[in-house]
Amino acid sequence: GNSVTQMEGPVTLSEEAFLTINCTYTATGYPSLFWYVQYPGEGLQLLLKATKADDKGSNKGFEATYRKETTSFHLEKGSVQVSDSAVYFCALRPDSSYKLIFGSGTRLLVRP
Amino acid sequence: NAGVTQTPKFQVLKTGQSMTLQCAQDMNHNSMYWYRQDPGMGLRLIYYSASEGTTDKGEVPNGYNVSRLNKREFSLRLESAAPSQTSVYFCASSEAGRKNEKLFFGSGTQLSVL
Repeated sequence: GNSVTQMEGPVTLSEEAFLTINCTYTATGYPSLFWYVQYPGEGLQLLLKATKADDKGSNKGFEATYRKETTSFHLEKGSVQVSDSAVYFCALRPDSSYKLIFGSGTRLLVRP
Repeated sequence: NAGVTQTPKFQVLKTGQSMTLQCAQDMNHNSMYWYRQDPGMGLRLIYYSASEGTTDKGEVPNGYNVSRLNKREFSLRLESAAPSQTSVYFCASSEAGRKNEKLFFGSGTQLSVL
């Protein structure tokens, strides 16, 4: 079946540190891959996406590359800010499906 | 820009009570979704509506019913609430349900069932 596995949090970093949040997936065919972010008290918002192998999604300094050979879509940012503190969800959408399948989420806390 | 609006934001129910969560979107989207969010489990799809007049079960539909009242509105009903339904509920919408589309989420309803 289709599934997403994310690294467990919380991840605690100092401001300006490098961030990696690991995400791997299991899916048949060629799913689309997404990272969503949830700030405290809010709904989820799309951060970035990639729709085919080797695509790189990027937004607000965050990047993730669709790696089909390793079935991964790791989220990276070169220098985090306090305002990046949030919960990050990796998700996939399989071929011919309305369902968006989420990982369990990784909480990021950035300290000044 | 309202986007996706959910009501209420908070609700406390007793076991066995019923209630309806309301959701409306003003983006003329065809597809709408209900998710529940539980600690350590991410978001799980309860029901979705690909277009006006259609609804389908997601991963965890038991104990819930939905109504796609019109293109704008998609409600979720708990007929007899149980403590296992304590969760945060999110409504979402997307333009046409295509694979590479993004979902727009409401701000959630925090439901406690005692």
